[in-house]
Amino acid sequence: EIVLTQSPATLSLSPGERVTLSCRASQSVSSYLAWYQKKPGQAPRLLIYGASNRATGIPPRFSGSGSGTDFTLTISSLEPEDFAVYYCQQRSNWPPVTFGGGTKVQIK
Amino acid sequence: QVRLVESGGGVVQPGGSLRLSCAASGLSFTMYGMHWVRQAPGKGLEWLAFIRYDGSNKYHADSVKGRFTISRDNSNNKMYLEMNSLRAEDTAVYYCASDLGGYFDWGYFDCWGQGTLVTVSS
Repeated sequence: EIVLTQSPATLSLSPGERVTLSCRASQSVSSYLAWYQKKPGQAPRLLIYGASNRATGIPPRFSGSGSGTDFTLTISSLEPEDFAVYYCQQRSNWPPVTFGGGTKVQIK
Repeated sequence: QVRLVESGGGVVQPGGSLRLSCAASGLSFTMYGMHWVRQAPGKGLEWLAFIRYDGSNKYHADSVKGRFTISRDNSNNKMYLEMNSLRAEDTAVYYCASDLGGYFDWGYFDCWGQGTLVTVSS
């Protein structure tokens, strides 16, 4: 099973700041990686799939990059509604699908 | 507008059973593979099961294999998760989600329901 490790566990930032979140896979997942946003009491929301493709309706301030084992989600300028937990997920040679442990982006 | 609505959650004793349902609307249900994903309190997301658009293939995570069974009824736009031999560690919010790839089983979760809470406790 492929293990995804996200770092850091928590980020404390202010609105308007640039955010870079990291996801590292225990073995290559090619570009088969997605990012989700999760807020308390809400369903997860697909942001990025295929490492760099924005899902429908996702604003351009969200971007993804990487391939192989190292991936990044970047939020160019934090909006108040972006404070949430972000999860990466891989689907290389699935099943199974696996998720990272999440990074919490909180208000500083 | 796509809407997925889970139901069937509740409190159940260890060793008990529960059947979750996921009702889909605004989606060409027969064209999409479907997943179940859960989130235990204070924990991350965990994929549980997938069923192809036509029900021809089903996959289950090792953590639930032999205890949980995914199924679907395309005539009624519904998906199910039959859960047996429930344990305290199965306590979680359970989400259904459609696969982004439609017929092609991409393994990404596009549309999600709001979830249903399952609590396993004596």
